[in-house]
Amino acid sequence: DTGVSQDPRHKITKRGQNVTFRCDPISEHNRLYWYRQTLGQGPEFLTYFQNEAQLEKSRLLSDRFSAERPKGSFSTLEIQRTEQGDSAMYLCASSPLALQETQYFGPGTRLLVL
Amino acid sequence: AQSVTQLGSHVSVSEGALVLLRCNYSSSVPPYLFWYVQYPNQGLQLLLKYTSAATLVKGINGFEAEFKKSETSFHLTKPSAHMSDAAEYFCAVSASNYQLIWGAGTKLIIKP
Repeated sequence: DTGVSQDPRHKITKRGQNVTFRCDPISEHNRLYWYRQTLGQGPEFLTYFQNEAQLEKSRLLSDRFSAERPKGSFSTLEIQRTEQGDSAMYLCASSPLALQETQYFGPGTRLLVL
Repeated sequence: AQSVTQLGSHVSVSEGALVLLRCNYSSSVPPYLFWYVQYPNQGLQLLLKYTSAATLVKGINGFEAEFKKSETSFHLTKPSAHMSDAAEYFCAVSASNYQLIWGAGTKLIIKP
C-alpha cells in the first residue's frame, strides 16, 4: 500500500514564474487536502477536495493560487507569478471515506522563490 | 473557532528520560485531536489520535497521550527518550470539514 506521493520534492524558481505541484493520494481516498508550512510554523490549511469537487478554500489562497482534482484522483496546485513570500513547504494529505478525520501526509514539496 | 497551543517551542531531555510535550486546545464541539511527528525535510507522520473513545491513547514508537476535557489538554508522553525521537512534534485539532488546525510545533532535542 503506497502512501501519498508529491512531485517534485524541491523546486527553485525565480520571482514571477509559474510553478505547478502534483499530489497523488492514497488509492481510493476521497478527500485530498493542501497545506502550506513555513519555517518554524505549523501547517496552514489552503484547500480541500472531496472527490473532484473543491469544497473549501482558505483566505490564504490568493487569486494567484489554483488547485484542481479533475478526475478525483491526483491533484495539482499551481502558483502563478510567484513571490518570495510563497517560499514554503507545500503539503498534501488524503483521508478515506471511512476515517475522514484521519489525514495521511505526503513528503511535501519545498518551494524556494528567488 | 478551534485553536491549539503548544507550550515550549523547544524541549530538551536526556536519553532515557521522560518526554512530556504539552498541548492545549479550544473547541466548541467534542474534538478529534492528533499528534504528528515531522523529521527534517519530511512530511508529517501520524503518531496517535483521539476520537472520543478511550481517553488514554497509545500511538507508535512508544508514545501515548491523555485527553483531559476539564483541562482542555492532550499532552504527549513517552517514558524513556531515545535518540531517534529527536524531531518536531505537532498537535492538531480537527475543525469543520475535518481540516486540521495546528499548533506551532515543539522541537524535541535528545541529549546523549
